[in-house]
Amino acid sequence: QLQLQESGPGLVKPSETLSLTCTVSGDSISSRTYYWGWVRQPPGKGPEWVGSIYYTGSTYYYPSLKSRVTISIDTSKNQFSLELTSVTAADTAVYYCARHKTNGDWVAWGQGNLVTVSS
Amino acid sequence: QSVLTQPPSVSAAPGQKVTVSCSGSSSNIGNNYVSWYQQLPGTAPKLLIYDNNKRPSGIPDRFSGSKSGTSATLGITGLQTGDEADYYCATWDSSLSAHVFGTGTKVTVL
Repeated sequence: QLQLQESGPGLVKPSETLSLTCTVSGDSISSRTYYWGWVRQPPGKGPEWVGSIYYTGSTYYYPSLKSRVTISIDTSKNQFSLELTSVTAADTAVYYCARHKTNGDWVAWGQGNLVTVSS
Repeated sequence: QSVLTQPPSVSAAPGQKVTVSCSGSSSNIGNNYVSWYQQLPGTAPKLLIYDNNKRPSGIPDRFSGSKSGTSATLGITGLQTGDEADYYCATWDSSLSAHVFGTGTKVTVL
């Protein structure tokens, strides 16, 4: 059974870098059928796509975040990671890692990791 | 601000039917598949409908999806208290080059 689990700090200071890792179990992250992505959800708001990566390392990001986001993949560890630089309070959200198809069907999600940006 | 607009809330009595609309444009819903998600309080979203009207294994046929032009609709029949949740539509936006989610609709069972 596929499981995704986010890990990382729950508190990040303004202007610093948010780093999260998603560990995938129950299936290979090298699947040719799916992409692996990050979706965030600010408190009381809807989900917002951050970016995605294919097992080859090919990435694409939400345009307004592109300058601050890096997603990487480690197939040997069955993990992929998110880095978001120069964070502000507006980046406070629950960050989910998820698996999705090319057309955007988000078929499996992690439980989410609340990240608060505050000094 | 999302490019997919949903009503903030809909409600109905147990056993009744509700529909949730999702309005977009030709750059998103009009030319791409739509999926729908259920988010119970404190949990991650769960895929309910994909490719406009298909249900993943394990999703009851009380849930249905349709698309017409630049709008999509989620239907829930035989409403149950366990259906109380937030519901989101999603698709790809070709102009933004981004996956986009709707503004969300809270379904309340009266």
